[in-house]
Amino acid sequence: AQTVTQSQPEMSVQEAETVTLSCTYDTSESDYYLFWYKQPPSRQMILVIRQEAYKQQNATENRFSVNFQKAAKSFSLKISDSQLGDAAMYFCAYRSLNYGGSQGNLIFGKGTKLSVKP
Amino acid sequence: NAGVTQTPKFQVLKTGQSMTLQCAQDMNHNSMYWYRQDPGMGLRLIYYSASEGTTDKGEVPNGYNVSRLNKREFSLRLESAAPSQTSVYFCASSARPNPDTQYFGPGTRLTVL
Repeated sequence: AQTVTQSQPEMSVQEAETVTLSCTYDTSESDYYLFWYKQPPSRQMILVIRQEAYKQQNATENRFSVNFQKAAKSFSLKISDSQLGDAAMYFCAYRSLNYGGSQGNLIFGKGTKLSVKP
Repeated sequence: NAGVTQTPKFQVLKTGQSMTLQCAQDMNHNSMYWYRQDPGMGLRLIYYSASEGTTDKGEVPNGYNVSRLNKREFSLRLESAAPSQTSVYFCASSARPNPDTQYFGPGTRLTVL
């Protein structure tokens, strides 16, 4: 079974600085998807960025980018020019490409709480 | 578009009571999901519906039932609530079962006394 590990329960960053959140995962599959979700105090789960495992190029969405190291099974999220609105819980998630059964659905890490200092 | 909506936002139940959590999406998505989130944990899948007319168990289905009423709506029922079911419940939907991105509702905070 796949697992997702986020080893940093809490992180802090100064406004306008850059921060990197870590995520590692364990799988025997070669093709899969990885996601970062943001959960602000409102509790809404918001998709931040998505990476397809077959793509070598790291995904980027504005100030958010990932460092995807497939061999190391690592998927870190970099937030540049941090803003106060970036403060939230961030969840890393894995999704198998196997159709059928619960294997085809999202497996989440326990999350990293990010604080942004003004 | 409202996206994914959930009702109620908050609910308090006594042990043994029953209730249904409602979820609806207006994105014409085929697949819908129910997750629970406990303190210090990521989300765990309770049930999902790959398409209208089908439902399947996820990681933690015990104590729950679901109904995919139509393409838009997917409800979660607790027949006899237990304190262990105190959690925040999220509904999500995606255009296809796999590997499409899932979009989440705002959550329902349920407390069972």
